[in-house]
Amino acid sequence: NAGVTQTPKFQVLKTGQSMTLQCAQDMNHEYMSWYRQDPGMGLRLIHYSVGAGITDQGEVPNGYNVSRSTTEDFPLRLLSAAPSQTSVYFCASSSPAGTYYEQYFGPGTRLTVT
Amino acid sequence: DAKTTQPPSMDCAEGRAANLPCNHSTISGNEYVYWYRQIHSQGPQYIIHGLKNNETNEMASLIITEDRKSSTLILPHATLRDTAVYYCIVRVRSGGGADGLTFGKGTHLIIQP
Repeated sequence: NAGVTQTPKFQVLKTGQSMTLQCAQDMNHEYMSWYRQDPGMGLRLIHYSVGAGITDQGEVPNGYNVSRSTTEDFPLRLLSAAPSQTSVYFCASSSPAGTYYEQYFGPGTRLTVT
Repeated sequence: DAKTTQPPSMDCAEGRAANLPCNHSTISGNEYVYWYRQIHSQGPQYIIHGLKNNETNEMASLIITEDRKSSTLILPHATLRDTAVYYCIVRVRSGGGADGLTFGKGTHLIIQP
């Protein structure tokens, strides 16, 4: 299994541009989440999904959209990039059959907005 | 969720046991203690979790005090590859954890050669 994969690894955007960060998992996990991590800080939850067609907002959802059309994929869309969205973005997945918070994280996408 | 307090940084000599403390004095009876770590530039990695009994797995041991107000993560024989930020997280146990974990700033553990 590849686990959780994220593309691209690095991205530079200009203010106002839009883009989609891709996340995929091959573990048949129903739960998927997006976090951002700013320098020297812990991770903050952006959006999450408990299954295909179901999404919800986390702690810092403004400026981001998500959709979940398949179990495997959970893309994160930046609508109009701002310098404040410069961060490292992590996608995670987990199984509702799990009995604890064992989340599997992807390698991250490093985004710079100029 | 209960708040946790961890020292911002710690050093440990290679080959020694690394003991990472966490204070969670407001923990409630149905909240678990989870530990994750994040090696530089990588995604966080689950280590271990516990409710009230001590736990051990291939990576680490978790010691929770009897009153559950604090815990210690023990890496028995630290190696240079254990240099990372370690996060102590308290959360109610529920399947999967889709609604996310609250990561504070953690403890930056530096293993010295």
